[in-house]
Order: sequence, then C-alpha cells, then structure tokens
Amino acid sequence: QSVVTQPPSASGTPGQRVTISCSGGSSNIGSNHVYWYRQLPGTAPKLLIFRSNQRPSGVPDRFSGSKSGTSASLAISGLRSEDEADYYCAAWDDNLSAYVFGIGTRVTVL
Amino acid sequence: QVQLVESGGGVVQPGRSLRLSCAASGFTFRSFGVHWVRQAPGKGLEWVALTWSDGNNKYYADSVKGRFTMSRDNSKNMVYLQMDSLSAEDTAMYYCARDEGGDTGLDYWGQGTLVTVSS
Repeated sequence: QSVVTQPPSASGTPGQRVTISCSGGSSNIGSNHVYWYRQLPGTAPKLLIFRSNQRPSGVPDRFSGSKSGTSASLAISGLRSEDEADYYCAAWDDNLSAYVFGIGTRVTVL
Repeated sequence: QVQLVESGGGVVQPGRSLRLSCAASGFTFRSFGVHWVRQAPGKGLEWVALTWSDGNNKYYADSVKGRFTMSRDNSKNMVYLQMDSLSAEDTAMYYCARDEGGDTGLDYWGQGTLVTVSS
C-alpha cells in the first residue's frame, strides 16, 4: 500500500486526452514536488515531468503535469498508440524520509 | 553521454548476501545523488535507497533498512548496494538512477540488474 495513490488503469482512443490522478498527503505531495515517470514494457523508467509541471527536454508538450494541495495529475493530450505504457507518480515524503512511488497506472490506447 | 550501468545481479539463496554496483560516466558524478529503485516481476516501482553527493547522507526504505547498505566511491564514479539477509521478497530488477538534487527528479536511469533470491 503506497502513501501516494493512483488508479491502476486508464484508457482512451487515439487523439483523446487522458488524465491520471495522484493523491497523497501533507508530508509528500502537499509539501514537495511531484514527478512522473513513464515505463515502456521491458525498459527502464524515464522521467516525464519534474517539479510537478516541468518537462525535461525532449518530452513532447502533449504531456503536462499539475499539482494542487495534496493531489497531482498528469495529462496526455492527443493520445497516440506509442503512449501505451505504465505511468508512475512519485514524491519525497518528509515523514518517511523516503521517495515514494504510486502503484503505477497502465494506459491503454483503445 | 550520461550512462549508468548496473552489475552484480544473479541468483542467490535466501539468507545470503549480494553486492550490486552502478558505474557512472558522462557527467560530474560527485555532484549528483544516486538512488536505487527496484521492480519485482510484474509489479510496480519501489524506491530502495538514496545517497547524496558526499556519501554521508543516506536514506533507506523501511523494507530494506538494517539489511541493505548503500555506499559510493567518487574517485571511481561508482555506487554500491550491499544486500544482506536476502529473502524471496527482494527478487527484483534493481535500477540505479541519478538525481541532481535541485528537484529535477531521477533524470537518468540504468538498464537494471536482475536479482533472484531462490533456493
């Protein structure tokens, strides 16, 4: 059971906008930045969003992050087949002195 | 280019020890923190440990505290994860990832090394 929660699955058709939520508490999302990682099957995770809403260079602007209070979300607009992957939110937890990941959300393109 | 290469994985019996290594190149290693993150087969990501640039500040997940020890050698651009008292629950792919520390996230990851704990 993770201290940050996200839905196990999400789906959409090509071109749609999909949003993944990530809910935490005052000691993690509420007081620290949120990060999003994408993992394609059989590969290492890749940083998608840092500082809650910043994209590393090379990440398309179809991906956007936001944070409000103890919740955060990742939005994927213009969904493509190659976006099928597992998406993880993460944050530092001040109480645990640990980096915590959500369980991951598997995005399926219908 | 930035590279992180893990090694040292393999099959080990329950209760035994294993040391993983993470070799870094292509960046100023001593300026970065390094995390270990693991992923059990078919499961999600689980953070394991973090050491910051000077190697003195270390943090561990509760699930490994007291059994795993992380260290680094800045002269060799290496990070290590000493894993003792291994159990089947430690079976996973182990990744190392760098962290600049300025809230920039784990921006580069290695390809992982697989640890299987089995009799």
